[in-house]
Amino acid sequence: KAGVTQTPRYLIKTRGQQVTLSCSPISGHRSVSWYQQTPGQGLQFLFEYFSETQRNKGNFPGRFSGRQFSNSRSEMNVSTLELGDSALYLCASSFRDITGEQYFGPGTRLTVT
Amino acid sequence: QKEVEQDPGPLSVPEGAIVSLNCTYSNSAFQYFMWYRQYSRKGPELLMYTYSSGNKEDGRFTAQVDKSSKYISLFIRDSQPSDSATYLCAMSFNTNAGKSTFGDGTTLTVKP
Repeated sequence: KAGVTQTPRYLIKTRGQQVTLSCSPISGHRSVSWYQQTPGQGLQFLFEYFSETQRNKGNFPGRFSGRQFSNSRSEMNVSTLELGDSALYLCASSFRDITGEQYFGPGTRLTVT
Repeated sequence: QKEVEQDPGPLSVPEGAIVSLNCTYSNSAFQYFMWYRQYSRKGPELLMYTYSSGNKEDGRFTAQVDKSSKYISLFIRDSQPSDSATYLCAMSFNTNAGKSTFGDGTTLTVKP
């Protein structure tokens, strides 16, 4: 079974621009979560989607948004990029929505200059 | 204070050693406990998952949970150079399973 895939793998953007990242979960997984990983803050939860509905949201500003499509694929968008948004953005999917088992993709490395 | 505190490391051990990685947490509502391994420039890989106090073994790995002390551990027996990575503990609530709270990670180096 194919794992979680994320595109693109690397991205360089300029401050003020916006960016869209994509995630395809493992087949059959309906929950998709997004995390931001930085050396200073570690792994921080952004949001979770389940059956096209946002089910949980972390403590990030409204510039961070996401959505999920009927095939469970998910996208996250960051508008008006800031230097501090440079991070590894990780997507994780899970099958059983009542446990903590999550399977991560390789991440998208975003650099904001 | 963070909800999940992880021994910071880094940790360096000789090949064959037993490794102990530890996390404490403050919120007794956490129900699910996970350990992930992350190699450099890769996404975290789920190693162990448990939801009850006690031990769970999988090959060379043993996850231990003590809910009364709010303490979890991961033991690695007969450590190998390929175990060199950052280990992350994570926890979630049963009503918010898609939202995990992670420790900051412990970087382990196993020297041949």
